[in-house]
Amino acid sequence: RKEVEQDPGPFNVPEGATVAFNCTYSNSASQSFFWYRQDCRKEPKLLMSVYSSGNEDGRFTAQLNRASQYISLLIRDSKLSDSATYLCVVNSPGGSYIPTFGRGTSLIVHP
Amino acid sequence: DTGVSQDPRHKITKRGQNVTFRCDPISEHNRLYWYRQTLGQGPEFLTYFQNEAQLEKSRLLSDRFSAERPKGSFSTLEIQRTEQGDSAMYLCASRYWTSGESSYNEQFFGPGTRLTVL
Repeated sequence: RKEVEQDPGPFNVPEGATVAFNCTYSNSASQSFFWYRQDCRKEPKLLMSVYSSGNEDGRFTAQLNRASQYISLLIRDSKLSDSATYLCVVNSPGGSYIPTFGRGTSLIVHP
Repeated sequence: DTGVSQDPRHKITKRGQNVTFRCDPISEHNRLYWYRQTLGQGPEFLTYFQNEAQLEKSRLLSDRFSAERPKGSFSTLEIQRTEQGDSAMYLCASRYWTSGESSYNEQFFGPGTRLTVL
């Protein structure tokens, strides 16, 4: 089993739709969690951190479920510009905080 | 530009040649990471430095790969006797790390070096 698993998609949604991605992780001692966005042939960029209490940033909401070992990302009112790959990142336990990336979920928002 | 920079952006080489990539992190960042990314996959951790010390290496980092960060600033990644399977995007990232809450400190990525081994 991979440490961090994501459905690669692609998710094809119309503008204005709500879409949700999940990401599961295998190490229950993992300590910090993130969603990164990666545009085609570009470097990943932080979208949002995922805290135990969940967090929201505009149209984006991230949640953590430690009991079931998954994190989620909800995008409301999708825009064409949201088309990208969304990478789930989990930091390993202990002081090294080595980030482990999922393979990413591809989102395509169409008119 | 005060972001992470990488050089070269693209490298085409023949199998068996040696290549070296450079990464210049954000100046105040003490941790520097190298990743490899292939098409359709997320970045895979290769190694990281805290200042000049290389603290961890992935089993993906075969003995043909070596990385240095001699003065705790820029870093180099060298691949000896390149193989076609080494073709990938090599990403560098940096972050500022201290103990405590810094596990949520953001990593900033450079634009990557795309390696093609013919």
